[in-house]
Amino acid sequence: DTAVSQTPKYLVTQMGNDKSIKCEQNLGHDTMYWYKQDSKKFLKIMFSYNNKELIINETVPNRFSPKSPDKAHLNLHINSLELGDSAVYFCASSQNPHDNEKLFFGSGTQLSVL
Amino acid sequence: TQLLEQSPQFLSIQEGENLTVYCNSSSVFSSLQWYRQEPGEGPVLLVTVVTGGEVKKLKRLTFQFGDARKDSSLHITAAQPGDTGLYLCAGEITGTASKLTFGTGTRLQVTL
Repeated sequence: DTAVSQTPKYLVTQMGNDKSIKCEQNLGHDTMYWYKQDSKKFLKIMFSYNNKELIINETVPNRFSPKSPDKAHLNLHINSLELGDSAVYFCASSQNPHDNEKLFFGSGTQLSVL
Repeated sequence: TQLLEQSPQFLSIQEGENLTVYCNSSSVFSSLQWYRQEPGEGPVLLVTVVTGGEVKKLKRLTFQFGDARKDSSLHITAAQPGDTGLYLCAGEITGTASKLTFGTGTRLQVTL
């Protein structure tokens, strides 16, 4: 079983559309994250949730809204998609918010906005 | 401004060669990690260093944390094609608990 799984793997959509990416972890971790990796492979944190509570919210447009229905799931909804949103989005989890030593990543969702 | 600069950005070498990747910053880190990312996959943690001057070995990979905890290096001995990938350093800046800052990345290709 995959520890951190996210769907879909690929997402191609038109500008202005709304889309969601789902993430689930079966590791029993308390903390989940969303990272964005741009075309130059630079990886930057977007959000972090601990036990369904938002603890990190970087300077991300409010078109991006994370939702954590329970501590095993952290979904990312994006409204009014723009060309600049094209990137690979990674979900990750760790045992707790201070456990940066053990960060597990999903395999990524490649988003292409046309 | 990139807080963690990696060099070189790209490296193409032949099997059996040695190489060193550097990760530098002006910030002090409470801990620093190295990841390897393969195409179509997420980063996978290789090692975490927490003490200034610390050296850790993982088979043919040697990781060192600078004495001042501002920089790190990854040395690979006798590189193999399986070492090919994107190497990322990531640090937790002192005073910014829970948030990892990733480096600019080094893309390594090892050919036969």
